[in-house]
Formats: sequence, C-alpha cells, structure tokens
Amino acid sequence: DTAVSQTPKYLVTQMGNDKSIKCEQNLGHDTMYWYKQDSKKFLKIMFSYNNKELIINETVPNRFSPKSPDKAHLNLHINSLELGDSAVYFCASSLGTSGVNEQFFGPGTRLTVL
Amino acid sequence: KNEVEQSPQNLTAQEGEFITINCSYSVGISALHWLQQHPGGGIVSLFMLSSGKKKHGRLIATINIQEKHSSLHITASHPRDSAVYICAVFTGNQFYFGTGTSLTVIP
Repeated sequence: DTAVSQTPKYLVTQMGNDKSIKCEQNLGHDTMYWYKQDSKKFLKIMFSYNNKELIINETVPNRFSPKSPDKAHLNLHINSLELGDSAVYFCASSLGTSGVNEQFFGPGTRLTVL
Repeated sequence: KNEVEQSPQNLTAQEGEFITINCSYSVGISALHWLQQHPGGGIVSLFMLSSGKKKHGRLIATINIQEKHSSLHITASHPRDSAVYICAVFTGNQFYFGTGTSLTVIP
C-alpha cells in the first residue's frame, strides 16, 4: 500500500542513452511533481502537473520530458543522458492545487550516468 | 543570493535539547513547507504553513509573513530527529528551496 512509488530505485547508464523513470501515486491526488537533488543535496523542482496538465516547468533542458498518461502517473523521460544528469530524482504528489498542500514523496531514483 | 536562506547550516545538539531552525525568504509567498530528509534519503513533509503556527507532536512550525521568516522548533530532541531539514516556499507559480539544515542529535 505504498503511497507514492518510483521505479527503478537505481539506474546506471551510459552517456547518450535514453531512459525513463516511472512514478505512481495511489492517494487520489490531483497534482504530481518531479524534483532533482544534486550531489550537493540541493533540491530543485523540475515539473508540476495538475490533472495531467503541466503547471510548473522550471528551466530544465528539453531532453527532459514529463508524461502524464493519467492523474495517478507522472513519468520522466530523459533523452541523450549527460554526466550532469546524475542525481537523485524524487516524485511527489499533493491534493488540489500545486504548491499549497502537503506533498507526499516517493523514495527517489538514483541515476548515475557513466 | 538565494531566495530562501536557512540557518544554521549544521547543528549538533544533545538529546533532550530544544532546537530551532530558521528560514528567511525574500519573495512573496502562498505557502511555506518544512521537509525532513532522513539519512537514508527519504523525504517527508512536516508542515505546510501560510500563516500562524502549527504543531505536530514535538515539532512546532511558525511563520511571520510580515517579517518573511519561519522557524521550526523541536522540543525534547531525540537521536531519531537527526536529519536534514529543508525549508521551501511557493510563490504561486514557483518553488524556491533552502539549502537545508543538517541536524545531529547525540545521545
């Protein structure tokens, strides 16, 4: 009965590859988020979706594309991976409108680009 | 300069001590969040505030909108409180994060 789940937990890949990280929430929330935490542990929001609609799209390379097939899923596709993409990626969800409700976080996906 | 500043960056306390972590921000906000990141990496939302004060167990969070300042207090600290505490603000269309306060509580 995991609330927010992410797969895979670890992802090791070569530069130039394309990879996806999946996120699912079973809380019935309307809003989902993707965050990146770099090696210095600084957390930064990447995207926010509300009912499958993109709400927040921070300045991230267009190699990153979120896809929300339904309200319970927000997957992150990354094309042409670069060394600097190595980080921990967290998915989160919340009720209602983006940003003004408590967020529930997934366990994180550690991406290592070699 | 970061829109959200936290202090202190690192904090070591003896078990049982009262702890305060501060967060100052420079933007107009709709909400302020306090997050806890465990040593294993998991992130938990502690509080979401838009005004006043909230309490949950030994944790208390306050916010002063006029002064653009929030505090997170931990009463009777315990080694299991050892974690990184992150302050984040939402302006209505953007999030800004502090760099976190690393707390170690020694038995």
